Amino acid sequence: DTGVSQNPRHKITKRGQNVTFRCDPISEHNRLYWYRQTLGQGPEFLTYFQNEAQLEKSRLLSDRFSAERPKGSFSTLEIQRTEQGDSAMYLCASSPDRGGFWETQYFGPGTRLLVL
Amino acid sequence: AQRVTQPEKLLSVFKGAPVELKCNYSYSGSPELFWYVQYSRQRLQLLLRHISRESIKGFTADLNKGETSFHLKKPFAQEEDSAMYYCALSGQGGGTSYGKLTFGQGTILTVHP
Repeated sequence: DTGVSQNPRHKITKRGQNVTFRCDPISEHNRLYWYRQTLGQGPEFLTYFQNEAQLEKSRLLSDRFSAERPKGSFSTLEIQRTEQGDSAMYLCASSPDRGGFWETQYFGPGTRLLVL
Repeated sequence: AQRVTQPEKLLSVFKGAPVELKCNYSYSGSPELFWYVQYSRQRLQLLLRHISRESIKGFTADLNKGETSFHLKKPFAQEEDSAMYYCALSGQGGGTSYGKLTFGQGTILTVHP
């Protein structure tokens, strides 16, 4: 297992198009997180999955954003009707569930989105 | 609300000099604090966390609850320490907030030869 993987690594799209990103967590990790990072800022939390259940969504996640983790393994993040403000690095992280709150999160390489 | 502030966007030191990256936080309960590092062309990775009380690559960080700070320190900086450093906070959880991280803006550390 080489860690968390994300595809595609780069995506250029035109405003108004839909895009979908995929995250494959470390295989035994139950917890999965999505973050967004814009230029000059630290990552910002978007949403959290415990297995297949989406348990928390940030206010940053507008109605145009949807995330799924259908079988508790990989996750997808879809952005509908993209806007230029959606241009950012989208990071996925996973962590094991050992019953505690503060497990170490392992990050993927990110998907860089550019909306023209 | 929880917030993490890293007041220095850029920090430059010479090899062998001490380095301190500042981090202040705001949180009403007892948080867990982390330092993540991103080396050039690599992914974000954990450097150290408060609860582990360990030194990684010569770095240490002390949680000061009175000053709500978690500064990262190294007595003798090395060129390979050049990277982006993020301080992050995770709340006590409860409910559904299992481990989500709030990051600071990051500090770019450059260690000159």
